[in-house]
Amino acid sequence: AQSVTQPDIHITVSEGASLELRCNYSYGATPYLFWYVQSPGQGLQLLLKYFSGDTLVQGIKGFEAEFKRSQSSFNLRKPSVHWSDAAEYFCAVSGGSYIPTFGRGTSLIVHP
Amino acid sequence: GAGVSQSPSNKVTEKGKDVELRCDPISGHTALYWYRQSLGQGLEFLIYFQGNSAPDKSGLPSDRFSAERTGGSVSTLTIQRTQQEDSAVYLCASSLSPLAGLDTQYFGPGTRLTVL
Repeated sequence: AQSVTQPDIHITVSEGASLELRCNYSYGATPYLFWYVQSPGQGLQLLLKYFSGDTLVQGIKGFEAEFKRSQSSFNLRKPSVHWSDAAEYFCAVSGGSYIPTFGRGTSLIVHP
Repeated sequence: GAGVSQSPSNKVTEKGKDVELRCDPISGHTALYWYRQSLGQGLEFLIYFQGNSAPDKSGLPSDRFSAERTGGSVSTLTIQRTQQEDSAVYLCASSLSPLAGLDTQYFGPGTRLTVL
């Protein structure tokens, strides 16, 4: 079975500060990993995904994530946060199943 | 628009009534998913359609929930005899590839269901 843990329910950062959102997964083989963002009142939008190859993945809106097999992690980072980045962030894993499993999400609050 | 659309955007109903939620996927997308998002929870998978194959209903929480997809396009999620615990945002997503676990899902804005 596959599972995802997002340990932080809420994260608060100041605008311009760096950001790291944590994601830990459980899956017995090489996982397929995703980060989605959900702005208020909106559906989810894909930020980036990892399937294979380079473990550092670049996404949209200046986000990146690094796959670390030894730590079963796929943390999302951004060097400088903008107020418009305030949203809910979801990590997801897909293994042998074609149906991704989503984490509970991390709510990002950005202070001016 | 070229995105996934859902209707209604909001639905308020009384306990015990039936509701129907609609999803229009992106044209040409063969895979369609329904999820439920409760307050403070992640996305709970409900049902998955892929082309003409039998749907994967493994996530439906009870027999009060059903869904169909007509003509490989529009899908309707029906909840019979609604209960207060059914209150949630219901999200629909579609994707292009039959290897849906590897493909980007495109989500609609959701239907917020409130059961009084």
